[in-house]
Amino acid sequence: DGGITQSPKYLFRKEGQNVTLSCEQNLNHDAMYWYRQDPGQGLRLIYYSQIVNDFQKGDIAEGYSVSREKKESFPLTVTSAQKNPTAFYLCASTDRGSSYEQYFGPGTRLTVT
Amino acid sequence: RKEVEQDPGPFNVPEGATVAFNCTYSNSASQSFFWYRQDCRKEPKLLMSVYSSGNEDGRFTAQLNRASQYISLLIRDSKLSDSATYLCVVNIEPGGSYIPTFGRGTSLIVHP
Repeated sequence: DGGITQSPKYLFRKEGQNVTLSCEQNLNHDAMYWYRQDPGQGLRLIYYSQIVNDFQKGDIAEGYSVSREKKESFPLTVTSAQKNPTAFYLCASTDRGSSYEQYFGPGTRLTVT
Repeated sequence: RKEVEQDPGPFNVPEGATVAFNCTYSNSASQSFFWYRQDCRKEPKLLMSVYSSGNEDGRFTAQLNRASQYISLLIRDSKLSDSATYLCVVNIEPGGSYIPTFGRGTSLIVHP
C-alpha cells in the first residue's frame, strides 16, 4: 500500500538537543511539506519542497532545517534554536499533476523538556 | 492578519441535525479549495474538494463563493461519527508551486 510514514510516533528530548524527524513516502509525489500543529490550532507550514534538492521556507521556518536528497524522503531537524519545539509535527505530500490533495503521515508528537 | 479564518466552535448538535460551517479567505489569488477532517490526535484526511460549481458527496455539500471569498460545508443528517474537527484549506499556486494555507479548524460534536 502506498502512503507516508513518519517515525517515531512519540519522541522525547531534553532542551538543547537537536532532533530529526523522519518522513518517507512511496507515492511518487514530487512535493512534500512539514507542518506543525499546536493544541487547538491549525496547521502551520514549516518547510516545503517541490522537487528533489530544492526546498523553501514556510511561515515558521526559524529553528528548523530540512533536506531533500531523495524524492521519497524529507527529514526535518528541530534544532536547539527553536524556542518552543513541543508540538505535533505532520508531514504531507502532494501529486502536483492531479488533484493537489495532500496526503498526510500519522504525525510525530515531540515533547522537549 | 489571518489568511484563512474559521469559527473554532465547538458546534454541538444532536444526531440528525443539519450543520453548516463557513471559511473565509483573504487572498483573492487563491485557486483551489478543500475541506479536511481531523480526528483527535490524528492526521487530517481529505473530506472533499470544493469546486466553483459546488459539489455534493452523500450528506456533505461544499460550495465556493469567490466574490465574497468564502467556502462552506453543509452536513445533513449528522451522525455521531461526524464528530471531528473540520479544516478548510486554501491554496495559492504561484509560478507552479503549491502552497496550502490551513484554517485553525471548526470543532463539531454530534450528541445522541
